[in-house]
Amino acid sequence: DAGVTQSPTHLIKTRGQHVTLRCSPISGHKSVSWYQQVLGQGPQFIFQYYEKEERGRGNFPDRFSARQFPNYSSELNVNALLLGDSALYLCASSLGLAGGEEQFFGPGTRLTVL
Amino acid sequence: AQSVTQLDSQVPVFEEAPVELRCNYSSSVSVYLFWYVQYPNQGLQLLLKYLSGSTLVKGINGFEAEFNKSQTSFHLRKPSVHISDTAEYFCAVSARGNKLVFGAGTILRVKS
Repeated sequence: DAGVTQSPTHLIKTRGQHVTLRCSPISGHKSVSWYQQVLGQGPQFIFQYYEKEERGRGNFPDRFSARQFPNYSSELNVNALLLGDSALYLCASSLGLAGGEEQFFGPGTRLTVL
Repeated sequence: AQSVTQLDSQVPVFEEAPVELRCNYSSSVSVYLFWYVQYPNQGLQLLLKYLSGSTLVKGINGFEAEFNKSQTSFHLRKPSVHISDTAEYFCAVSARGNKLVFGAGTILRVKS
């Protein structure tokens, strides 16, 4: 079975630009979460979606937005990019939102903002 | 809110030696606990998790962890490490729901 897939693998943007990152969950998984991992730090929660509805949002500015499609894939959008947005963006999927339920991570998208 | 502290940023160890990676957490509610491993240029892979029951949890690749509620700790151990265990290890907690709060990570460097 295919795991969580993310595209693109790497991305280079300049300050002020917009970026869209994409994630396809494991087949049958209805929840997708996004995390930001800055170099040298642990992943930080950005968003969680379940059945196309936002079910959680981390402490990130409004420049960050996301959505989930009917096929449960998801997009993360970041507007007006800043140098500090350079990070590895991880997508994780799970069957649902039950406490303790395992999240399966994709390989990530490495975003570099120049 | 929950928080996780990983007490060591880097742990060097010789091959075949035992290792312990330390993790403490803070939460006002009951939590679920996880250890993930991240190899270079890859995503996160679950090593083990504690949901309830026995406080000693066994995971993949010979790792185990012990939940200590009184000390709010969840330390990861392996009796004999291999070169291939060189990676970054993250401790994480979740409370209601499965949103994860991660520690800053511990880089395990196994030397021959």
